[in-house]
Amino acid sequence: GIQVEQSPPDLILQEGANSTLRCNFSDSVNNLQWFHQNPWGQLINLFYIPSGTKQNGRLSATTVATERYSLLYISSSQTTDSGVYFCAGGGPGSQGNLIFGKGTKLSVKP
Amino acid sequence: EAGVAQSPRYKIIEKRQSVAFWCNPISGHATLYWYQQILGQGPKLLIQFQNNGVVDDSQLPKDRFSAERLKGVDSTLKIQPAKLEDSAVYLCASSLDRGGGYTFGSGTRLTVV
Repeated sequence: GIQVEQSPPDLILQEGANSTLRCNFSDSVNNLQWFHQNPWGQLINLFYIPSGTKQNGRLSATTVATERYSLLYISSSQTTDSGVYFCAGGGPGSQGNLIFGKGTKLSVKP
Repeated sequence: EAGVAQSPRYKIIEKRQSVAFWCNPISGHATLYWYQQILGQGPKLLIQFQNNGVVDDSQLPKDRFSAERLKGVDSTLKIQPAKLEDSAVYLCASSLDRGGGYTFGSGTRLTVV
């Protein structure tokens, strides 16, 4: 199966700062999703983005499928953005199954 | 729409005991997944159902884990007998179809002592 690598592993921001999280995958994917796991453990789907760019409020994501990476942008960060951000991908033969990266742990300080 | 429902929320058992988890996906979602998340790691797929059929159970430890989705709606995951290394959060997710966006439930946190 594919390998999913996320960077950085940890990130500390001051409230109001911007950040970029990166996800590299070892092979072609046709299913790429970003999730936020809040401090209570709930996984929230942020984006379904196998290619292209999407925006939702202060968050946006870009996937360049031909170069096997995806980026998650967080602008004007808030303390509620804290938690772990996971990227997960699946290839053409995966039947919808996702391989998750190890996550980026984000802490936003007031 | 209602989200993915899971129960119980927490469970503590002794090793070698059995335990069962329940999941009710979003209405109309054909695909249901069970993932295991060990502390500090990303979720790992255990089993995928499409309606009431198994699509992928290649990573399910079948000597102790079993799962079913008899009527193509809710699902149960069972562990018998449990081992200490089974301590983890068990997450259920559903999607409209294969390859679609996931919605996760709140998970069941299992502690095996």
